[in-house]
Amino acid sequence: KQEVTQIPAALSVPEGENLVLNCSFTDSAIYNLQWFRQDPGKGLTSLLLIQSSQREQTSGRLNASLDKSSGRSTLYIAASQPGDSATYLCAVYNQGGKLIFGQGTELSVKP
Amino acid sequence: DTAVSQTPKYLVTQMGNDKSIKCEQNLGHDTMYWYKQDSKKFLKIMFSYNNKELIINETVPNRFSPKSPDKAHLNLHINSLELGDSAVYFCASGRQALNTGELFFGEGSRLTVL
Repeated sequence: KQEVTQIPAALSVPEGENLVLNCSFTDSAIYNLQWFRQDPGKGLTSLLLIQSSQREQTSGRLNASLDKSSGRSTLYIAASQPGDSATYLCAVYNQGGKLIFGQGTELSVKP
Repeated sequence: DTAVSQTPKYLVTQMGNDKSIKCEQNLGHDTMYWYKQDSKKFLKIMFSYNNKELIINETVPNRFSPKSPDKAHLNLHINSLELGDSAVYFCASGRQALNTGELFFGEGSRLTVL
């Protein structure tokens, strides 16, 4: 059974810092991995999608990596801003056709 | 302009009532989903439909009945509501069956059962 774990559960950093969010999954037989952002009381916004054959994806200040064999992904945020404060969710599409979520990392960027 | 829209956004009701949540997507996707986010913010899949056909049905009480009149709509009907049904329900859509593409989520419907 696929399980997705995100560390840390919460993170508080001063503005301007670079930071890394971690995601691990137990079953490496995945189609892809997706990082989402969720603001309080809002839906999920897709940030980056990495196919199983890819190693990383970049969008602006965000860079996501995927090491399928070790069951790990990281989301790197450069030069963090207060507007980056949100919960970041990692999710994997497994071969059963389901998107399995981690419990998220709650990020707070202090001005 | 909203890609995946859900109504209502908030729903407060008494135990034992029956309620529905509607979802529509204008992205032309073939696959739609319902997810439940509990009080600990954990998101779990409930159902998935591809071209109006049910393809994923997780261990969900049969009080929950999804209905897809066409591939742009997936509604969720809940009978005999219980306190534990209180959660945020998210609708999502994707480009392909088996979730091999990117998923797009609605803003959620917060259900509170009193």
